[in-house]
Amino acid sequence: TQLLEQSPQFLSIQEGENLTVYCNSSSVFSSLQWYRQEPGEGPVLLVTVVTGGEVKKLKRLTFQFGDARKDSSLHITAAQPGDTGLYLCAGGGGSEKLVFGKGTKLTVNP
Amino acid sequence: NAGVTQTPKFQVLKTGQSMTLQCAQDMNHEYMSWYRQDPGMGLRLIHYSVGAGITDQGEVPNGYNVSRSTTEDFPLRLLSAAPSQTSVYFCASSRGALGELNSYEQYFGPGTRLTVT
Repeated sequence: TQLLEQSPQFLSIQEGENLTVYCNSSSVFSSLQWYRQEPGEGPVLLVTVVTGGEVKKLKRLTFQFGDARKDSSLHITAAQPGDTGLYLCAGGGGSEKLVFGKGTKLTVNP
Repeated sequence: NAGVTQTPKFQVLKTGQSMTLQCAQDMNHEYMSWYRQDPGMGLRLIHYSVGAGITDQGEVPNGYNVSRSTTEDFPLRLLSAAPSQTSVYFCASSRGALGELNSYEQYFGPGTRLTVT
């Protein structure tokens, strides 16, 4: 059974700080997706990475896929209150079934 | 496009009652799935469908039934509700094109919050 572990589980920071959240597995994934979920809503896709070592940037968010395609990280620069939410990673094996991590709950205080 | 829609938004059931959670998408996606989200457990796959007439079980299928008679609709039926089924339920869809890794990106509905007493 493929598992994805996310850390930290909770993160509370001040506006303007930088942060990194991690998504790790002992299994190899064909692709890794990151989602953000706000309270009372469904998750929304942020990015998909498919190549080992790949780095993608989305404004102040930087996503990296590990060289061995077993792990990924999300780095946020100068966090803002609007970044508050639950960040989920999901691993794909090249089929329709994804494995989701349990998420990192981020709170950015003004 | 409305994307993925789910009804109802909230529901309270008594133990033993049955109900159907509705899900529809207007993106002509082949792949649809149902997840439940519980505190500390993340998203867990209940059932999924790779096209009309084809369904399969996910990680936690017991107590739930699905069918897929059209591309657009994928209802989830609770046969006899139990307190353990109290959860938030999300329906999702994706293009699911074989060989295209980006095509498995999920589009989620807004969720149904179910309480079973």
